[in-house]
This record gives sequence, C-alpha cells and structure tokens, in this order.
Amino acid sequence: GAGVSQSPSNKVTEKGKDVELRCDPISGHTALYWYRQSLGQGLEFLIYFQGNSAPDKSGLPSDRFSAERTGGSVSTLTIQRTQQEDSAVYLCASSPGAGAGELFFGEGSRLTVL
Amino acid sequence: EDQVTQSPEALRLQEGESSSLNCSYTVSGLRGLFWYRQDPGKGPEFLFTLYSAGEEKEKERLKATLTKKESFLHITAPKPEDSATYLCDESNDYKLSFGAGTTVTVRA
Repeated sequence: GAGVSQSPSNKVTEKGKDVELRCDPISGHTALYWYRQSLGQGLEFLIYFQGNSAPDKSGLPSDRFSAERTGGSVSTLTIQRTQQEDSAVYLCASSPGAGAGELFFGEGSRLTVL
Repeated sequence: EDQVTQSPEALRLQEGESSSLNCSYTVSGLRGLFWYRQDPGKGPEFLFTLYSAGEEKEKERLKATLTKKESFLHITAPKPEDSATYLCDESNDYKLSFGAGTTVTVRA
C-alpha cells in the first residue's frame, strides 16, 4: 500500500502482559515517529527514528517502553508489563527526510489494557 | 520549552457560519508551522505548512495564515464534512510539538 500501515489496529490485553505494535512506513521515508494519543487528549511524542537510529527517546514514558527499527523500514514499539494507564491509541508517522515536516500518519493501534 | 497553544478547545458552528481557529507558538527559530486535520478513529492528515510571517495557504474552505507569534485557520462557509479536530504543530528541527487541537462541529 501507499500509506503508513500499522498493526494490529486493535489490541486488548491483560495487565502485566507484553505487547508489540508494528509500523510499516511509506517506502523510502527515512524518518519515523511514534506518538501516543489518550482519549480526548493531544498527541504525545514518544520516539523518533532517523534511519535505524533513535536520536531522541526522551518521550518514552518509562523503561517498560522500547522501540526499534530495522532495515530503515519497519518499526516495532514494545510495551512490557502493560498497565491500565498504557491504554491509548499509538500512532506512527513517517516523513521523507531528516527534520520535521509533513508527516504521514497511520490509522493507529488502539491498545486497551484490562 | 517550545509550546503550541490552540484555542478555542471546541467550536460549534452552523453550516455556512465562518470562523477562525488560533494557534499560538513560542518557539525560537521556527522552522515551520503545520496544520493537520484529524477525524475520529483516524490518524492526522496534513493540511498546510507555513514558514514565514505573512504567508497564506488555501485549500477549499480553509485558509491558514501566519504572523510572528500565531497562526490562524479560517473556515469559510463550513459544511458538516468540515467537522473534525484541527491540530497545529511547530517544527524545531525534527521534534514536533502538537497543540491539543480544536474540535470543530458543523451542524447542518
């Protein structure tokens, strides 16, 4: 597909379980972002990748959160030992080059922690 | 820290009733002011980029303008399909700081 693809679109898990969220950016886009959006809230920056490197991990809420990107393409956001406050929509976006500009967002992965 | 503030939080309009949304920023060395539209259950969709004071961009019923301290998104004669949350963000190098958004509801 031509757009940013995220999976799963919905994930319900039990507190304490680990989850993995996947993002397939637009082909050729070197920059990749993860954001979190809680119900009725704005977008919270989590992490930014340029290629496979993450120069800014400052937005990750705790050490239970980690992300990686391989081959300059697919990225995985992993949340360990999920908590109820992790429930949110996790949005991935990509852009063609370094430096923020027009971002192309996926539809998001809605995570519900019971 | 650079911040973006949007107002109002919510705007209810009658179809055809023009209005404006505000985005104030406090960034030093603005590298771009961006407007996005977000529909419920969807990711944000890019609308405009503004780079310098005095710049204007238009798309259908939307017009974005930029001054040295704020940006406005003008909605002219809105239709129900313009109902969405409108987000602005400013670019300082790679990191984007999104505002909380203005939720616009247009009634027929």
